[in-house]
Amino acid sequence: GQQVMQIPQYQHVQEGEDFTTYCNSSTTLSNIQWYKQRPGGHPVFLIQLVKSGEVKKQKRLTFQFGEAKKNSSLHITATQTTDVGTYFCAGKGYNFNKFYFGSGTKLNVKP
Amino acid sequence: GAGVSQSPSNKVTEKGKDVELRCDPISGHTALYWYRQSLGQGLEFLIYFQGNSAPDKSGLPSDRFSAERTGGSVSTLTIQRTQQEDSAVYLCASSLASTTGGNTEAFFGQGTRLTVV
Repeated sequence: GQQVMQIPQYQHVQEGEDFTTYCNSSTTLSNIQWYKQRPGGHPVFLIQLVKSGEVKKQKRLTFQFGEAKKNSSLHITATQTTDVGTYFCAGKGYNFNKFYFGSGTKLNVKP
Repeated sequence: GAGVSQSPSNKVTEKGKDVELRCDPISGHTALYWYRQSLGQGLEFLIYFQGNSAPDKSGLPSDRFSAERTGGSVSTLTIQRTQQEDSAVYLCASSLASTTGGNTEAFFGQGTRLTVV
């Protein structure tokens, strides 16, 4: 069945360092979404990627969708303490209507 | 409403009691998800409703868990004979129909924190 794996589970960085989380699917995805959950909050939508090889940027955040549409990454440049939280990817396959969430990467940024 | 509304926000119940958790999705959203999140953990999929289709119940952990969605809108998650391991935050999310290429951003409610004592 559809599975979306996400690594790493945890990442501790010093403020100013870069951070990347990776998402991999066992099957080809029609699209992938990224969410951020702040401590004590609920997941909030960041972006959706649809096209093979697509790259989107939001300020210091760069999102990529692999050429084979089986993997994706979120890269944060020069982390800030406001980036703290858990980042989830959610992928949808062509044969399934629902999105499958990865297990999330918990980011901690030390000031 | 403006967003996904869940009630109650907090629920403390005794082991063995039944509980009902409610989710009011955004008007017009045909897709509705229930997730469970234990402290510091990821999102555990429970159940998915899409329009008038039969729900995907593949994530329900046991037959003590059930969910309904009446009239394609409000959803209720029921946990019978609650156990301590059921303690978690239960999150509901809704979105427009999951069609390829369309923006199907999921909007999450604030969650219901369930504590079984």
